[in-house]
Amino acid sequence: NAGVTQTPKFQVLKTGQSMTLQCAQDMNHEYMSWYRQDPGMGLRLIHYSVGAGITDQGEVPNGYNVSRSTTEDFPLRLLSAAPSQTSVYFCASRVRREETQYFGPGTRLLVL
Amino acid sequence: AQSVAQPEDQVNVAEGNPLTVKCTYSVSGNPYLFWYVQYPNRGLQFLLKYITGDNLVKGSYGFEAEFNKSQTSFHLKKPSALVSDSALYFCAVRDWAGGYQKVTFGTGTKLQVIP
Repeated sequence: NAGVTQTPKFQVLKTGQSMTLQCAQDMNHEYMSWYRQDPGMGLRLIHYSVGAGITDQGEVPNGYNVSRSTTEDFPLRLLSAAPSQTSVYFCASRVRREETQYFGPGTRLLVL
Repeated sequence: AQSVAQPEDQVNVAEGNPLTVKCTYSVSGNPYLFWYVQYPNRGLQFLLKYITGDNLVKGSYGFEAEFNKSQTSFHLKKPSALVSDSALYFCAVRDWAGGYQKVTFGTGTKLQVIP
C-alpha cells in the first residue's frame, strides 16, 4: 500500500512550457485534491474531484486543468507555465465519509 | 466566510517542556477542526481532529488539542516536547455545511524544540 504518490519530485520549467504533475492513490479513495503551498499562505485548494469523471474548481484554479478518468489517478496540468506558479504542489485523497486527508510527498516546481 | 489563524510563525520550546501551538477559527456554523504536521520535504500528516463530543482530543505522537467554543480556539498541546517534534504544524477548519472543498488551512507554525 503506497498511499498517495506524486511525480516528479522536482521540476524546472521555462515560462510558457506545459507539463503534467502526476498523482495516484491506491486506497480506493473517492475524493482527491490538489493544493499549492506558498510561504506565509498555507495550503490553497486548486482543484478537487469527488469521484471518477467529476471535477470542480477550488480557490485558485486559474492556469491549471485536471481530469479524473479513474479512481486512482488525478493529474494536474499546467498549460502555459508562469513564474507565479512556482510553488510546492500537494495531492491529497480521502474516503468520502471520513474527514482525514492523506497527502502525497509533494512536487516542487520552479518556473523561470 | 470561514477562516483560521495561527498567530505565531514560530514557537521555540526546550526539550522536555510542555508545548502549545495556537489556532483560532471562524465559521458560520459548527466546525470540523484538524491539526496536520509537515516534516521537511514531506507531505502533511494527520495528527488529530475535532468533529463533535469531548472538547479534549487526543491524537498521534502524544499530541492533544482542546476545542474551546467560546474562544473559538483549537490549540495543539503536548506535555513534554521532543526534538523530533520539530516540524511545521497546520491548523485547518471546515464548516459542517461547507462541503468537501471548503477546508481552510492556516499559514502554519514552525515548532523548534531545542535540545
